[in-house]
Amino acid sequence: DQQVKQNSPSLSVQEGRISILNCDYTNSMFDYFLWYKKYPAEGPTFLISISSIKDKNEDGRFTVFLNKSAKHLSLHIVPSQPGDSAVYFCAATQGGSEKLVFGKGMKLTVNP
Amino acid sequence: GAVVSQHPSWVICKSGTSVKIECRSLDFQATTMFWYRQFPKQSLMLMATSNEGSKATYEQGVEKDKFLINHASLTLSTLTVTSAHPEDSSFYICSARDLGQNGELFFGEGSRLTVL
Repeated sequence: DQQVKQNSPSLSVQEGRISILNCDYTNSMFDYFLWYKKYPAEGPTFLISISSIKDKNEDGRFTVFLNKSAKHLSLHIVPSQPGDSAVYFCAATQGGSEKLVFGKGMKLTVNP
Repeated sequence: GAVVSQHPSWVICKSGTSVKIECRSLDFQATTMFWYRQFPKQSLMLMATSNEGSKATYEQGVEKDKFLINHASLTLSTLTVTSAHPEDSSFYICSARDLGQNGELFFGEGSRLTVL
C-alpha cells in the first residue's frame, strides 16, 4: 500500500509558465512533508518542505501548499525554467521520525 | 552545503558474487545513515537505518543477511549485497542527516548495481 502517491508520472510545461506538481497521502499521521528534486545519475536534493501546522510555504519560485483535510499537497514553480527539468519526489514523515516515505516521482520537462 | 558521497556509482557483477557500496559524509559526522533502493519508475524505498557503532535497523521485508550494513565510523556506512542475483539489480541511494544544518537530509549520488 503506497502511502504517498504521485499519480501523474510526467508533466510538460512551457518556460515562464507555472508548473504544478501534485502529491496525495493516505497516512493521517504524517506531519511533515518534503519535496526533492533529482537529476539523472544524481541523488535527490532537498527543495522545500512544509509542516502540517502550515498550509503554505514559499521559497523564491517554489511554493508548497498543504490541504490536510484532503491529504493533498502541491508544489508550484513559477516561472518555470528549463533548468527545473528533473524528477520531483514528494516525501512525508511523522513525529520527527527520520524515516521518509517517498512517492514514485514525477518527471517535469520545461520546454524553452 | 553538506556532501554525501557514494562509491562506486556504477557496478556490474556476476551472479553469486558480493558487492560493497560505500556511503561517506564528507564534511559532517553522521551517527545515522539511511539506505534506500529504487526500482525503475518506482519510489525510493527505505531499506534500513544504519547506526554508528550498533546494528542496523532493517525495514520489514528486507533480508538483513542479504544486505549487510556496517557503520564503522561517524562518516562511513557500507552496504554489502551478498550472493547477488539479477533481481538485486537496482539503484541504491544512501542519505545522512547533518545536524549542523538544521537536520537537513543529504543524499548520495546513488549506486547502480547490475547483476548479470
